[in-house]
Amino acid sequence: DAGVIQSPRHEVTEMGQEVTLRCKPISGHDYLFWYRQTMMRGLELLIYFNNNVPIDDSGMPEDRFSAKMPNASFSTLKIQPSEPRDSAVYFCASSFGEKLFFGSGTQLSVL
Amino acid sequence: AQKITQTQPGMFVQEKEAVTLDCTYDTSDQSYGLFWYKQPSSGEMIFLIYQGSYDEQNATEGRYSLNFQKARKSANLVISASQLGDSAMYFCAMREDYGNNRLAFGKGNQVVVIP
Repeated sequence: DAGVIQSPRHEVTEMGQEVTLRCKPISGHDYLFWYRQTMMRGLELLIYFNNNVPIDDSGMPEDRFSAKMPNASFSTLKIQPSEPRDSAVYFCASSFGEKLFFGSGTQLSVL
Repeated sequence: AQKITQTQPGMFVQEKEAVTLDCTYDTSDQSYGLFWYKQPSSGEMIFLIYQGSYDEQNATEGRYSLNFQKARKSANLVISASQLGDSAMYFCAMREDYGNNRLAFGKGNQVVVIP
């Protein structure tokens, strides 16, 4: 199994630009999560899906953030417009049962 | 309210020694799960071990064991026979409400294994 695949690994963009992060969960997993990691706030859950349906988006910081899961094998997290305070590592994770498996993360830098 | 507490400062551990990482949690649920993840300097999050709240036996996975003390609401990770590759951040996490699957993470413990 290839594991959870995220792209890109690194993204550098300028303030105001749109950023799209991508995730391919492990085949057969029915839950998908987006987390953000910063030094100040640690790991924060942004949103999660069950069977492609968004269940809880209360962790999404503001309307600039949106996430979609059009099918069981793909999800996106979009930030529009991006701001410097969005700089962080964004993780996608998927699960079937108790264990949560993470992707390698996307290191986002907004200048 | 913080649900997972990891308060130890960074730790230096001698190779081949055992190390215990503390984790306390807060929940009013009867059914929950506890997890430990490892994050090396490369950044990936690696699942280590899981303990269900109804599991009577402490979980073990190779050199990792979870010292689960339900009454004290603690779920300490024990790494036996430390190796240089164990140098990493270690995160404790809890999932409340079975069927929900969302994990809340602690702030992490930094471990450095020295030869």
